Amino acid sequence: GAVVSQHPSRVICKSGTSVKIECRSLDFQATTMFWYRQFPKKSLMLMATSNEGSKATYEQGVEKDKFLINHASLTLSTLTVTSAHPEDSSFYICSARWGTSYTDTQYFGPGTRLTVL
Amino acid sequence: RKEVEQDPGPFNVPEGATVAFNCTYSNSASQSFFWYRQDCRKEPKLLMSVYSSGNEDGRFTAQLNRASQYISLLIRDSKLSDSATYLCVVNSPGNQFYFGTGTSLTVIP
Repeated sequence: GAVVSQHPSRVICKSGTSVKIECRSLDFQATTMFWYRQFPKKSLMLMATSNEGSKATYEQGVEKDKFLINHASLTLSTLTVTSAHPEDSSFYICSARWGTSYTDTQYFGPGTRLTVL
Repeated sequence: RKEVEQDPGPFNVPEGATVAFNCTYSNSASQSFFWYRQDCRKEPKLLMSVYSSGNEDGRFTAQLNRASQYISLLIRDSKLSDSATYLCVVNSPGNQFYFGTGTSLTVIP
């Protein structure tokens, strides 16, 4: 299967700082990437859809000024959590879309565990 | 009605048992379907894709019933290592992916 990397895998930061998470498709070009967050024992929650060269589409309830998404190339999307607070602590997972429209599949990165103190 | 619905379980089965999960979807025009496996504190990993009536890979069989709008995942001869959460994902027209909430499976020695 296709490979998606995410960096960093784990980050601990102080409240008020900003944290950038990178998502890369290593062996394919991804015009679309997705950002999710997941709380313990809960299902994945889609935050936004990131399209290369255009603005991200945010899901209802997700603050676009709080979670900045940049999809500058076909292999890289970044999520910046600005002015992080303890309630932003979560598991953030990206995925990249691979394939034609009919056989579209998502491949997930390994996730980033964010802890805000 | 939710786009995708799954029985959250938990399913607790003995080693060697056969277990099946169902997932229903609401959009009859959906074309592709996926089962992912997610281990605790890990990312989802693609287990099987289903585009027509079904797919089989070793002990795992996925079946699609378009008339009743559900897909199923059958696991035969369960192993301890099969313990995980199984996510059903549906790709609907407009290339929207919809996730089920996941079904938790624990295989007991």
